[in-house]
Amino acid sequence: DTAVSQTPKYLVTQMGNDKSIKCEQNLGHDTMYWYKQDSKKFLKIMFSYNNKELIINETVPNRFSPKSPDKAHLNLHINSLELGDSAVYFCASSQPGRGRTSYEQYFGPGTRLTVT
Amino acid sequence: LAKTTQPISMDSYEGQEVNITCSHNNIATNDYITWYQQFPSQGPRFIIQGYKTKVTNEVASLFIPADRKSSTLSLPRVSLSDTAVYYCLVGVWGTGFQKLVFGTGTRLLVSP
Repeated sequence: DTAVSQTPKYLVTQMGNDKSIKCEQNLGHDTMYWYKQDSKKFLKIMFSYNNKELIINETVPNRFSPKSPDKAHLNLHINSLELGDSAVYFCASSQPGRGRTSYEQYFGPGTRLTVT
Repeated sequence: LAKTTQPISMDSYEGQEVNITCSHNNIATNDYITWYQQFPSQGPRFIIQGYKTKVTNEVASLFIPADRKSSTLSLPRVSLSDTAVYYCLVGVWGTGFQKLVFGTGTRLLVSP
């Protein structure tokens, strides 16, 4: 049973195209995230949703639009793809606790996006 | 916004203890410090988290000083399978807002 799944695993596309990456979690978590990992392996948060509501929206181009149809799904749509969008995109989920803020997250396997 | 920094790489031998430190000057007051392990072509995997002093689980220990501006992940008796990249994750304060920031990552190589 895969806890956090992403599709597709690999995505090769040309500049200017529009593409989507899907993420699903079966852990019953309320919070989901999208991260970007660049070629130098730096991990950077892009978005976070809690119960389908956007709670973190980092400085990313507005060509990136997350959509959460329900709390088990968080999809990422990217318009007008650029060369610099090439990276590995990770979805993650977590369950907020009470009191202190926990960042125990469960990550998907990643989607390697290559823009040519 | 101060970076959350880690040593780029570390080398060790099987059976040794490895300590990896993360510096996070602007850590948010109420947040845990969390550490992850990442193997090639996989997503990061949770290892341990703590708020202050020392936390230990079956795979690692986490040492956090009183000012919480750094944390040290300790891996006892590493094996070849511990070769991976290790990241800390903290909430930090920016200019009037809070950000969620991964450390720069430490590539650990364990040799026989």
